Amino acid sequence: AQSVAQPEDQVNVAEGNPLTVKCTYSVSGNPYLFWYVQYPNRGLQFLLKYITGDNLVKGSYGFEAEFNKSQTSFHLKKPSALVSDSALYFCAVREGRDDKIIFGKGTRLHILP
Amino acid sequence: DVKVTQSSRYLVKRTGEKVFLECVQDMDHENMFWYRQDPGLGLRLIYFSYDVKMKEKGDIPEGYSVSREKKERFSLILESASTNQTSMYLCASTGTGLTMNTEAFFGQGTRLTVV
Repeated sequence: AQSVAQPEDQVNVAEGNPLTVKCTYSVSGNPYLFWYVQYPNRGLQFLLKYITGDNLVKGSYGFEAEFNKSQTSFHLKKPSALVSDSALYFCAVREGRDDKIIFGKGTRLHILP
Repeated sequence: DVKVTQSSRYLVKRTGEKVFLECVQDMDHENMFWYRQDPGLGLRLIYFSYDVKMKEKGDIPEGYSVSREKKERFSLILESASTNQTSMYLCASTGTGLTMNTEAFFGQGTRLTVV
């Protein structure tokens, strides 16, 4: 069965600095990988995905993520953090297009002004 | 604009009541999901459905059932609500394209309190 790990409960970054939110996954086949963001009292918003092709994928709000098959990782990155990026971030994996989507426990990102 | 709509944002129910949470999507998606979200536990899958009248158990199905009579609607049922089912419930849907419609689209969530 597929699984996702987000090793950090919370990440603090100063505004203007680069940020990284870590994610590792486990699937038996080829993974579909996703990042979502959640603002207070809201549903989850899709940020970006990796299905196939270029290992570096770009998404909404200036975020990007790098797929690393050998390390089974899909870390979320942004070159310059904004205070408005403060939110809860979830990594998710899907094994094939007909399968369920499994989420990590989430990482709370705090951007300090 | 794609839409997943959950019938209620907030619900308060009494212990032992039968509770229905409704979710409707307008994207003609095949797959629909119910998750619950609790602090420190992330999103946990309760049930999912890959077609009308089809359902599969997720990781925490105990105390819940589901119904999918029409493609666009997926209902979560708490047969006899208990206080440990107080949570945020999130509905989502996805398509089955190879590269398109692979991500989940979420409703706004229903915060259920069982007293």
